Amino acid sequence: EIVLTQSPATLSLSPGERATLSCRASQSVSSYLVWYQQKPGQAPRLLIYDASNRAAGIPARFSGTGSGTDFTLTISSLEPEDFAVYYCQQRTVWPPLTFGGGTKVEIK
Amino acid sequence: EVQLVESGGGLVQPGGSLRLSCAASGFTFSDYSMNWVRQAPGKGLEWISYISSTSTTIYYADSVKGRFTVSRDNAKNSLYLQMNSLRDEDTAVFYCARDGYAVAGIFDYWGQGTLVTVSS
Repeated sequence: EIVLTQSPATLSLSPGERATLSCRASQSVSSYLVWYQQKPGQAPRLLIYDASNRAAGIPARFSGTGSGTDFTLTISSLEPEDFAVYYCQQRTVWPPLTFGGGTKVEIK
Repeated sequence: EVQLVESGGGLVQPGGSLRLSCAASGFTFSDYSMNWVRQAPGKGLEWISYISSTSTTIYYADSVKGRFTVSRDNAKNSLYLQMNSLRDEDTAVFYCARDGYAVAGIFDYWGQGTLVTVSS
């Protein structure tokens, strides 16, 4: 089973700042890494698939990079609605499909 | 508009059973593989089951294998999860999620979730 480790667990930033979230895999997942956003009381929302492809309707301030074992989700300038929990997920070696533990982006 | 609506959650005693449903609309359900993902209170996401569009391929997480059974009825645009031998640690919000982009493992639409509480 591929283990995904997200860091930091919590990121405290102000609106307008840049957010950089990390996801590290226990073995290579090639580029098959997905990012989701989840707000309290809501279902997750697909942001980025296969490391760098924005899903439909996702603003350009969200970008993903990486391959192999190290991946980054960047939010270029935080909007108030971006404060949420972000999860990475791999789809290379499965079952099981696995998620990281999440990074909470909170208002500083 | 794509919609996934789960139902069937509730309070059940340890060892009990529950059947969850997910009603799909706004897309051709029979063209898509589907998944169940759960989230324990205050915890992260855990994938638990996959079913291909024609039900020919089914997978489970080890944590539910032998206790949970996924199925679908394409004529009724519905996905199901039969949960038996429920344990305290199965307490979670259960989401159904569609595999998008013609590949497995990219969940492009999710339902709002249904809460399952296992407690005596």
